[in-house]
Amino acid sequence: GESVGLHLPTLSVQEGDNSIINCAYSNSASDYFIWYKQESGKGPQFIIDIRSNMDKRQGQRVTVLLNKTVKHLSLQIAATQPGDSAVYFCAEEGTDSWGKLQFGAGTQVVVTP
Amino acid sequence: KAGVTQTPRYLIKTRGQQVTLSCSPISGHRSVSWYQQTPGQGLQFLFEYFSETQRNKGNFPGRFSGRQFSNSRSEMNVSTLELGDSALYLCASRRAGGTDTQYFGPGTRLTVL
Repeated sequence: GESVGLHLPTLSVQEGDNSIINCAYSNSASDYFIWYKQESGKGPQFIIDIRSNMDKRQGQRVTVLLNKTVKHLSLQIAATQPGDSAVYFCAEEGTDSWGKLQFGAGTQVVVTP
Repeated sequence: KAGVTQTPRYLIKTRGQQVTLSCSPISGHRSVSWYQQTPGQGLQFLFEYFSETQRNKGNFPGRFSGRQFSNSRSEMNVSTLELGDSALYLCASRRAGGTDTQYFGPGTRLTVL
């Protein structure tokens, strides 16, 4: 039969606006969280990470927020640019995971001029 | 510093054949993880190697295997290929064995006919 692909949520953003991408994680034991960006035909590219002893971390134009109470992670992109168009994945890892990242389904970000 | 490299970038095989994919990690990185990415299942962990030892394995059949060499380069092998093995196979490397950023290669696109 026909396989059903994951339905990626899509976030349409106007160039120059701020973007917020959300992610719910599943494992309470996870203590390391990462955001990756994947462009068509490429592997995931590291954006920013955060450990469980923090609730906010900032990079260049990006901010990650971690709410451990509700197991929620978000990525904020300031002044979104056309080059930010991609699929964004959150990933989690526990100290005993030995290299195993658990990925979310991803969010497609489309930046319109 | 050169990134993670994977060869070949594209492969076409037929059902029943076997395939070997190669991954060269970033210089100085000793841990290599492998992932399978499909539209239906997203990114799924296959296995992780550190200092030539497999430390973790995902929920894949025994047809999927891997190894790591003393120079940290890694290979994965899939035997008796099935149509459902068509996917983008990604490897990621990190410096050490703990929770640390994993950097991904561009992937090998495997098509099974």
